[in-house]
Amino acid sequence: ETGVTQTPRHLVMGMTNKKSLKCEQHLGHNAMYWYKQSAKKPLELMFVYNFKEQTENNSVPSRFSPECPNSSHLFLHLHTLQPEDSALYLCASSLPGLAGGPVISYNEQFFGPGTRLTVL
Amino acid sequence: SQELEQSPQSLIVQEGKNLTINCTSSKTLYGLYWYKQKYGEGLIFLMMLQKGGEEKSHEKITAKLDEKKQQSSLHITASQPSHAGIYLCGADTDSNYQLIWGAGTKLIIKP
Repeated sequence: ETGVTQTPRHLVMGMTNKKSLKCEQHLGHNAMYWYKQSAKKPLELMFVYNFKEQTENNSVPSRFSPECPNSSHLFLHLHTLQPEDSALYLCASSLPGLAGGPVISYNEQFFGPGTRLTVL
Repeated sequence: SQELEQSPQSLIVQEGKNLTINCTSSKTLYGLYWYKQKYGEGLIFLMMLQKGGEEKSHEKITAKLDEKKQQSSLHITASQPSHAGIYLCGADTDSNYQLIWGAGTKLIIKP
């Protein structure tokens, strides 16, 4: 039990669909992350939230839209995706840096099991 | 080339044998994390190294950090089927406070 849950675990969607991925952590962390993992490639950091504020957006296309309503929940809203967006999407959480500042990453990140996304 | 290179990309080892996985950074290392991932699942934290020369062990897995070489090695002694999976390294570098990641090493243990 990692303390970070993700739903759904698997998702198949067409390019015109709109869907959302959900991440929930029960560890009392205040920093949350979305990563994309494609085969044989390094993890790609997509978004970082620190105390519910987005601190990083690594040039992610606008068809991916994150939402962090509180420190325990993180969503990734998907619309008009492309087949190359098919991947494993991982959520992670960690202890934060100072509120309003950058996330200090010397604390390990705890990962959820991921959502396997297939875009047809 | 990638900022964080892992080698080898994949490894098949006879059960009971020792093995080593390397993670080399093109930038200064301020912290190095090792994670293990089973296929299609999330990452499980193994160890974090922060100081040059630091060495940590957990059960049969030992990780070392060579600050001068900007490299970390993960060594598994007397490998078991439970060690099979993908090992990833993540690093704090001097460029920013985000972790950068290697592409992973896929480990297969032959019975």
